[in-house]
This record gives sequence, structure tokens and C-alpha cells, in this order.
Amino acid sequence: NAGVTQTPKFRILKIGQSMTLQCTQDMNHNYMYWYRQDPGMGLKLIYYSVGAGITDKGEVPNGYNVSRSTTEDFPLRLELAAPSQTSVYFCASSKLAGLSDEQFFGPGTRLTVL
Amino acid sequence: SQKIEQNSEALNIQEGKTATLTCNYTNYSPAYLQWYRQDPGRGPVFLLLIRENEKEKRKERLKVTFDTTLKQSLFHITASQPADSATYLCALPTGANNLFFGTGTRLTVIP
Repeated sequence: NAGVTQTPKFRILKIGQSMTLQCTQDMNHNYMYWYRQDPGMGLKLIYYSVGAGITDKGEVPNGYNVSRSTTEDFPLRLELAAPSQTSVYFCASSKLAGLSDEQFFGPGTRLTVL
Repeated sequence: SQKIEQNSEALNIQEGKTATLTCNYTNYSPAYLQWYRQDPGRGPVFLLLIRENEKEKRKERLKVTFDTTLKQSLFHITASQPADSATYLCALPTGANNLFFGTGTRLTVIP
């Protein structure tokens, strides 16, 4: 199993541009999550999904959108990128809800908005 | 609001000693608590989960305690090795589907 994969690894965007961060997992997990991690800060939940077709907002959803058309894929869309979105983005998945099951994280995407 | 404090931003210890990391939380009564390891440039990796009715849990050289009265979890690494150098995160469940992560403690084991 490849686990959780994310593309791209690095990206530089100009203010106002849009992009999609890709996330795929091959463990048949129902639950998937998007986090951002800023220096000196804990991981902040952006959006999560409990299954195909079902998504919900996390702690910091503004400026982002998600979709979940399949069990495997959970892309994160940034519209009108802003410098405040400069961060490292992690996708994660778990078999059960995050409460009682471990989360498997991808390697991250480092995004810079200039 | 809920808050997690991990004892210090950085901890340096000598190889072979026991490292003890602290996770304190407020305004919350979690049923579980998780610990993750994160290496530079990588995603977190799950280490241990401890439930509120478990006082202690062990996995190889790792030991976690959970004191719901003190609202504190301690994470111990015995016989520490340079390869244990990493950032360690504690995480608590919030709501039905979310984990709330602390900022982490960066551990350096000096040979």
C-alpha cells in the first residue's frame, strides 16, 4: 500500500491564483481530513469527509473548498490565493472517526503565496 | 475554548536517558488522547492512543500516562537514542470527527 499520497510536494502561487491540492489514499478509509500547519502552530483542521459525497467544515475553512466523489480521493481547492494561505498542507485518513482511530498522514504540500 | 499546552517547545537530553514530554489540556474532558511523531519535512506518524480509563500504556520503549484529574498526559521514551530526535505532538478529540493538535515538543537526543 502506498498509504496517503499528496501532490504536488511544493508550489508557489501568485496572489489571486487558484490551485487544487491532490490527496489519494489506497487503504479504503472512509474518513479523510485536510490540515494546515504553520510554524510554531498546531495542525489546524480545514475540512473533513466521512465518506464519498459527504464533507464538512473544520476549524479554518475560509478560502478553501473540497469535494469527495470517490472513497480514494479528497482534493482541496484554493480559490483566489492569499499570502495568509502560505503553509504546509497535510491530508490524512482514518478507518474510523478520528476519536478512536489513528490518522494516517500524507507527506504534505508546501505552498507559498507571493 | 479548548487549549493544549505541550511542556516546552524544545527538549534536549543525553542518549540513554529517559525523555519525558508533557501535554496539558484545559476546558475539555477527552475520552482519548493520541501521541504522534513528526520528522522535519514529513507528516505526523501515529504512536499511541490512551483512553480515559487507562492510566498507562506501553509500546516498546514508549510509555504514556493519562491523568484526567490533572488534565495531563506524560509521554516517556526510555533509553533514548539519537534516532528518537523528532517533534512529538499530542492530540485530543473534539466533536465527533476532529482531532485538536498541540504545537508539539521538539526532542533532541544528544549522542
